[in-house]
Amino acid sequence: DVKVTQSSRYLVKRTGEKVFLECVQDMDHENMFWYRQDPGLGLRLIYFSYDVKMKEKGDIPEGYSVSREKKERFSLILESASTNQTSMYLCASNSPEAFFGQGTRLTVV
Amino acid sequence: GEDVEQSLFLSVREGDSSVINCTYTDSSSTYLYWYKQEPGAGLQLLTYIFSNMDMKQDQRLTVLLNKKDKHLSLRIADTQTGDSAIYFCAESTGTASKLTFGTGTRLQVTL
Repeated sequence: DVKVTQSSRYLVKRTGEKVFLECVQDMDHENMFWYRQDPGLGLRLIYFSYDVKMKEKGDIPEGYSVSREKKERFSLILESASTNQTSMYLCASNSPEAFFGQGTRLTVV
Repeated sequence: GEDVEQSLFLSVREGDSSVINCTYTDSSSTYLYWYKQEPGAGLQLLTYIFSNMDMKQDQRLTVLLNKKDKHLSLRIADTQTGDSAIYFCAESTGTASKLTFGTGTRLQVTL
């Protein structure tokens, strides 16, 4: 069974903390993505990667960075968490079927 | 650039067919997808269609693609209460098959 796994389902962090969201896929997909989902705004692309060590900015990259050291793992980093980064974060991989992880609901207090 | 639009809400009676519509702007789309999201859950891939196809059927689901009008639809036959969810269409474009999503259509199934 194909799988995209996000390391945490729920996270609560303090303003200013450095936050790591991890995503692992077991399908040997080249492409991986990070989205955030907010009510009324749909899914917005933060960053994506089409190969190891390759990354591209999506539509809303400000305040985020990413790391793709291995093909199966794509990490999203919030350098200094802020309350406006409270959201549901979704990781995906595709080739061409696109599968999503279960999501991480991050609350920044 | 890419833009994907959907209506926000659809209500149907149990047993009827549901048709959820989507329009997109990028003519270079390679694949188009339909996802289902239930409350508190991630996105479940329902089906996808290659951009050179007109139709794809999978059990109760039928996807129709009108490439000329850049219009995609998802028909759910014999809609059940368990089909109540938000449905997202998405297109993939570019070398990395970047996915762009619509805002989602909330399907409400009434008895």
